[in-house]
Amino acid sequence: QPALTQPASVSGSPGQSITISCTGTSNDVGTFNLLSWYQQHPGKAPKLIIYDVNKRPSGLSNRFSGSKSGTTASLTISGLQAEDEADYYCCSYSRSGTSTWVFGGGTKLTVL
Amino acid sequence: QVQLVQSGAEVKKPGASVRVSCKASGYSFSTSGVVWVRQAPGQGLEWVGWISTYNGETDYAQDFQGRVTMTMDTSTTTVYMEVRSLRSDDTAVYYCARRDHDSSGFPDYFFDHWGQGTLVTVSS
Repeated sequence: QPALTQPASVSGSPGQSITISCTGTSNDVGTFNLLSWYQQHPGKAPKLIIYDVNKRPSGLSNRFSGSKSGTTASLTISGLQAEDEADYYCCSYSRSGTSTWVFGGGTKLTVL
Repeated sequence: QVQLVQSGAEVKKPGASVRVSCKASGYSFSTSGVVWVRQAPGQGLEWVGWISTYNGETDYAQDFQGRVTMTMDTSTTTVYMEVRSLRSDDTAVYYCARRDHDSSGFPDYFFDHWGQGTLVTVSS
C-alpha cells in the first residue's frame, strides 16, 4: 500500500488545466517541503518535473506547477497537451522509519 | 551530459541473487548519491535504498533490509545493487537515479536523472 495517496486517474481536454493531489501524513508531506513529482510515459523511466514542492528543473515548461497545504500536495498542469498523457507520481522525504522516501501510487492522466 | 546506464535484463530462479549495475557519467560521481527505485509490472514506484557515492554510506528501506546490498566502484563510476533470496514478487524494473547536491553542498531530496531501468524476472 503506497504511503502517499493519489487519485488513480484524472482526465482533461487539450488546453484545460488539471490538478493531481497527493496526501500524506505529518511524517512526510505535512512536515517537510521535500516533495517531488515525476512524470512517466509508458515503457520509459520517470522524469523529474517538480522538486521541493514548487520548483521546476531548468528547461521544464512553466505549465507544470506545484503547491502544498498541510498534508496534501498538488500538481497542476495548465494548457493540457497530448504529450502530457502519462503517469504522475509524487514522492516525499519521510521520517516514518520504514522508508526514507515514500511514493504515491501514481495517477494516470488521460488527455481526451 | 549526465547519464546513468544500467545493465541488461536478468532472469533468475526463486532463492537466487541478482546484481544490477548503474554506470554514471557526465558529472562529479564522488559528490553525489544514487538511489534505487523499483516498479513491479503495472504497479507504482517503490524506493529501495540509497548509497552515497561520497563515502559509501547506505540507507535501505525496511522491507529490503538484510536482502539488499548497494556498493560502488569509484574507479569505474559504477554503482551496484545486489538483491538476495529472490522471490516472485521481486519481479520488477529496477531503476537507478542520481541524488545530487545543491550549490551550497547540501544534498538534494529529489532524483534528477534516471537510468533506463533493468527488468529482473524471478520465475521457476
